Amino acid sequence: EAQVTQNPRYLITVTGKKLTVTCSQNMNHEYMSWYRQDPGLGLRQIYYSMNVEVTDKGDVPEGYKVSRKEKRNFPLILESPSPNQTSLYFCASSLEGENGELFFGEGSRLTVL
Amino acid sequence: GENVEQHPSTLSVQEGDSAVIKCTYSDSASNYFPWYKQELGKRPQLIIDIRSNVGEKKDQRIAVTLNKTAKHFSLHITETQPEDSAVYFCAAWSDDYKLSFGAGTTVTVRA
Repeated sequence: EAQVTQNPRYLITVTGKKLTVTCSQNMNHEYMSWYRQDPGLGLRQIYYSMNVEVTDKGDVPEGYKVSRKEKRNFPLILESPSPNQTSLYFCASSLEGENGELFFGEGSRLTVL
Repeated sequence: GENVEQHPSTLSVQEGDSAVIKCTYSDSASNYFPWYKQELGKRPQLIIDIRSNVGEKKDQRIAVTLNKTAKHFSLHITETQPEDSAVYFCAAWSDDYKLSFGAGTTVTVRA
């Protein structure tokens, strides 16, 4: 089944404790991206990747890191989480990148205390 | 970068009536405009999209119109049904490979 898989789905952590949210897609998509969703703000792009070893900042990259060492994986790293990073996070991928349909993962709800 | 504004933020309609959501964008180079639907607790999913060389596109009860000169596009849902209740997001791809979303419209269809 074609899908984008995120883990963990739910996480409660404390300020400063490094965490990684994994994202994997099995559709051989070139483009991958991370979004955070907050009430009243819609979906805001954190980072995106056009291909392996190519990553770029979205609109809200502060406090996050990503890597794209393999085509299928695009982990989101919070080196030192803070309460303002409490949010619902979505990973997404697209075959074509620009002008292509985005397929979203199920989301990861992160709470930073 | 692209700035997408979406209105209204909430919309309540009687079942069977039409719903219209409007979006504006800032980057004149944008040429692809998808709409996503997010049901409660679920992931966003593409419902319809339009490219800049087309002024209107229809798929059953939903349609999207695009006015590139005015830099705005709209989603129209006709004969609304309870399953249309969801959050709808408009989006625009900018030429720097970013997909920017509007803030979302919560649509409630009253039975």
